[in-house]
Amino acid sequence: EPEVTQTPSHQVTQMGQEVILRCVPISNHLYFYWYRQILGQKVEFLVSFYNNEISEKSEIFDDQFSVERPDGSNFTLKIRSTKLEDSAMYFCASRKQGLEQPQHFGDGTRLSIL
Amino acid sequence: GQQLNQSPQSMFIQEGEDVSMNCTSSSIFNTWLWYKQDPGEGPVLLIALYKAGELTSNGRLTAQFGITRKDSFLNISASIPSDVGIYFCAGYNAGNNRKLIWGLGTSLAVNP
Repeated sequence: EPEVTQTPSHQVTQMGQEVILRCVPISNHLYFYWYRQILGQKVEFLVSFYNNEISEKSEIFDDQFSVERPDGSNFTLKIRSTKLEDSAMYFCASRKQGLEQPQHFGDGTRLSIL
Repeated sequence: GQQLNQSPQSMFIQEGEDVSMNCTSSSIFNTWLWYKQDPGEGPVLLIALYKAGELTSNGRLTAQFGITRKDSFLNISASIPSDVGIYFCAGYNAGNNRKLIWGLGTSLAVNP
């Protein structure tokens, strides 16, 4: 069964450094998402992306964050200048075209900021 | 932002017992989704519900879309140790079919 894949599984970065998290959504999906989950807490929406542009973003998704679909398969999340509080699991999700289709998640990237 | 009220927050049961958890909202939802998250992994879709009153099963799991469209429940029958994990409800409300609204999760522990 097709799945969302994320790399790397774990990223350790010094505070202030830039980090890029990568995702390959399911191939026939058209809507893409990034979520964040701080250890032991709820899943938090960051951003949704459709038709090569951001369709919605949360208050967490400030100017330090950006997303890109650089080619037909990858979907990336960039954090320009990481802070300690950016340490979390970052999940990518995708879904098909169509009203209220369920989102399918990758296994996440654990981001640790030192 | 908006979130769903999910209960209970955690459960500790004996293997073989049945489990029930639910989600409620103050607004109408068009879709209810139930996910399970194992430690260190992403949420995995268990059941999707699209119509009020719909009752759907996936093996030992059964979920229902409430008639009022403001609630949903998930039942697990005859629990086994691999049912351990965090169960999240999520849904699209009538006002926004692009953004999933999430519950805070129910943490399930099963004693063999």
